Amino acid sequence: DTGVSQDPRHKITKRGQNVTFRCDPISEHNRLYWYRQTLGQGPEFLTYFQNEAQLEKSRLLSDRFSAERPKGSFSTLEIQRTEQGDSAMYLCASLTTGMGDGYTFGSGTRLTVV
Amino acid sequence: SQQGEEDPQALSIQEGENATMNCSYKTSINNLQWYRQNSGRGLVHLILIRSNEREKHSGRLRVTLDTSKKSSSLLITASRAADTASYFCAPWNSGNTPLVFGKGTRLSVIA
Repeated sequence: DTGVSQDPRHKITKRGQNVTFRCDPISEHNRLYWYRQTLGQGPEFLTYFQNEAQLEKSRLLSDRFSAERPKGSFSTLEIQRTEQGDSAMYLCASLTTGMGDGYTFGSGTRLTVV
Repeated sequence: SQQGEEDPQALSIQEGENATMNCSYKTSINNLQWYRQNSGRGLVHLILIRSNEREKHSGRLRVTLDTSKKSSSLLITASRAADTASYFCAPWNSGNTPLVFGKGTRLSVIA
């Protein structure tokens, strides 16, 4: 396991469709984070898990967004009824609980809603 | 908020020159982290400096931290075209708070 994997790398969808992204963190990392990033901006926090428990959700995460981490391993982020404003890069990061480490990010999923 | 604010927003230098980026924050911190992001890619963790440290080196990177001024700087020496990227600082307070990122500094190194 060499890093955080995200799938797909790119997704083009029509407005109103549902999309699901997957993140596979580093296997021994118990924390998993989702961020969203639009062009020219820094990553915005969406939600994070410790093992299978979703510990925090941003107010940015509307009712159309849902995230799961069913067995404390991989995670999925689903967006229902996509809107053009959902077009962004969705980044996943993982971490072993503790104060000394930085996050390991995946390469992201680029979503384009047309 | 423990968000850092990077300055300048954009920086353009010639290859071989040094690049300095600054970060200011508002809350007390446990550590401060710097990340690099190449275009269209995820962030890469560069270096972490703890609140009781004043300076840290890693290869061509030098990070300073002044907790009394709530500021940090990242120096890249002898820059290369491959250093072209966005750089983000992330002050970190406690174990249960996720990192919050600012808009970053966009560095362009011209060959």
